[in-house]
Amino acid sequence: GENVEQHPSTLSVQEGDSAVIKCTYSDSASNYFPWYKQELGKRPQLIIDIRSNVGEKKDQRIAVTLNKTAKHFSLHITETQPEDSAVYFCAASDPLTGGGNKLTFGTGTQLKVEL
Amino acid sequence: DAGVTQSPTHLIKTRGQHVTLRCSPISGHKSVSWYQQVLGQGPQFIFQYYEKEERGRGNFPDRFSARQFPNYSSELNVNALLLGDSALYLCASSWGWDLNEQFFGPGTRLTVL
Repeated sequence: GENVEQHPSTLSVQEGDSAVIKCTYSDSASNYFPWYKQELGKRPQLIIDIRSNVGEKKDQRIAVTLNKTAKHFSLHITETQPEDSAVYFCAASDPLTGGGNKLTFGTGTQLKVEL
Repeated sequence: DAGVTQSPTHLIKTRGQHVTLRCSPISGHKSVSWYQQVLGQGPQFIFQYYEKEERGRGNFPDRFSARQFPNYSSELNVNALLLGDSALYLCASSWGWDLNEQFFGPGTRLTVL
């Protein structure tokens, strides 16, 4: 099955700086890679995703890049703000034998944006 | 437009008991997936249902079961609860069964004593 590794586990940046979180995956059949933001005690919130036929996707201050050959994808947050502080999870789709798909998640990155 | 809803929000049970968790997907979404999130870890896949059929099951024991109803809502049942079942149980809905964005509900926090 799919295995997703995520680094770093914690990341502290100054407000206004950029933050980068990296993930690798093992299953070459995976073709959908979402990123979720989870604030303490709240639900994971989808912030951006990318499909395998695209190398990069951007949404305002957030961007995701995908390297299918190397099986890694990254989340880039520019001009970080205190409200960006949260745990970020990467995930990779994993085809199910029954014809659906599941998400395999990384272990999470605790991002702290300091004033 | 309501998002994914789950009930109850919190639940305390003792070992050996049974629990039923409920989920209502976003209107129009036909797929429901269940995930278990242990504190400090990422969510782990338990089940996916689409059009009332099980599409897949994660690496969980047979004590875990689920079903989906004609209105696409879903129940997750856990029998013979163990201390290790204490976790946040998340439901995610998506429009289809393949490569669609999955949107999570607020979860049910289960504590097993």
